[in-house]
Amino acid sequence: AQTVTQSQPEMSVQEAETVTLSCTYDTSESDYYLFWYKQPPSRQMILVIRQEAYKQQNATENRFSVNFQKAAKSFSLKISDSQLGDAAMYFCAYRSVNTDKLIFGTGTRLQVFP
Amino acid sequence: GAVVSQHPSWVICKSGTSVKIECRSLDFQATTMFWYRQFPKQSLMLMATSNEGSKATYEQGVEKDKFLINHASLTLSTLTVTSAHPEDSSFYICSASGDRGLAATGELFFGEGSRLTVL
Repeated sequence: AQTVTQSQPEMSVQEAETVTLSCTYDTSESDYYLFWYKQPPSRQMILVIRQEAYKQQNATENRFSVNFQKAAKSFSLKISDSQLGDAAMYFCAYRSVNTDKLIFGTGTRLQVFP
Repeated sequence: GAVVSQHPSWVICKSGTSVKIECRSLDFQATTMFWYRQFPKQSLMLMATSNEGSKATYEQGVEKDKFLINHASLTLSTLTVTSAHPEDSSFYICSASGDRGLAATGELFFGEGSRLTVL
């Protein structure tokens, strides 16, 4: 069975600085999707960024980028120029191409200080 | 992105009563819907997967008689918490995949969540 691990329960960053959230996963599959979701206090799940495992190029969405290391099964999220609105819970998630299920990590709470 | 709507957003009920939560896909046909449960400061735990017109598939440890899931149409799935007790108090979130999103991007679309408090 696949598992997703987020080893940082909490992180903090100063506004305008850069922060990296860690995620590792375990799978025997060669093709899959990886996601980072943001959950603000409203509890609405918001997709931040996604990565297809067959793509070697790291995904980028504006201030958000990932470092996808397939051999190491690592999928970290880098937030550049952090903003107060980035404060939220961040969940790393895995989806097999064979099933629609999303498997979530335990989450990292990000605080952004002015 | 596609829109998934959940209703009610919060509900308070007495112990022993049943509560129904609806999950609707507003602008696409959701062939598959997922129900998650989230305790405070914890991750989302998948409870069950429902496919339109067929019985839901429950994850291990989830009581299918307590959490009744119906997916009668391509735009609506319901979760009914039967004979609710205080330990069922939680945040319930649905997500959907279908003819948009998943096929193209692998993304699932989430509802806003429903907070259930059982007194």
